[in-house]
Amino acid sequence: GDSVTQMEGPVTLSEEAFLTINCTYTATGYPSLFWYVQYPGEGLQLLLKATKADDKGSNKGFEATYRKETTSFHLEKGSVQVSDSAVYFCALSQGGTSYGKLTFGQGTILTVHP
Amino acid sequence: GAGVSQTPSNKVTEKGKYVELRCDPISGHTALYWYRQSLGQGPEFLIYFQGTGAADDSGLPNDRFFAVRPEGSVSTLKIQRTERGDSAMYLCASSSDGAGELFFGEGSRLTVL
Repeated sequence: GDSVTQMEGPVTLSEEAFLTINCTYTATGYPSLFWYVQYPGEGLQLLLKATKADDKGSNKGFEATYRKETTSFHLEKGSVQVSDSAVYFCALSQGGTSYGKLTFGQGTILTVHP
Repeated sequence: GAGVSQTPSNKVTEKGKYVELRCDPISGHTALYWYRQSLGQGPEFLIYFQGTGAADDSGLPNDRFFAVRPEGSVSTLKIQRTERGDSAMYLCASSSDGAGELFFGEGSRLTVL
């Protein structure tokens, strides 16, 4: 079955540092790929998505590129802020009527210090 | 409402008891999903409703778990004969038509003693 693997955390950075959170997947066909974020005390929120190979999703300074050749969807941000401290989840779906049936990675806790 | 609402936010019960968790989706959203998240793990799919019917219940772990959505809006996840392994955060999400962005609630944390 489909699966998503994220780099093990937690990740601790100083403000303005560069962030990369690795995500690789195993899936049949051409899944859609997502990054979700969970801020303390809040529900999961969609951060960005990409629906086909070589697409780049971006939002709030975060970017991720759908790399089919390496089955990866790494999350990057050039300069993190304290407010980016959260748990980040990589996920995929097979789309169509199964669009909301997501397979999630285990999550990466990010802590950004001033 | 403005977002997906889940009640209770916390539920503590004893092994063997029956539990109901409620989800009130965003008004007008036809698709509703239940996920379960164990500590330190990502959410795992349980069941998906399109309108009143369960379109995909392949994630329900066993027959102790059941969910309904009788009027196509509010959904209830029901767990019979709870076990300690059922302890987790139960998340609900809705989307406008099953092909768009999911909006998650804050979850119901279930603890089985």
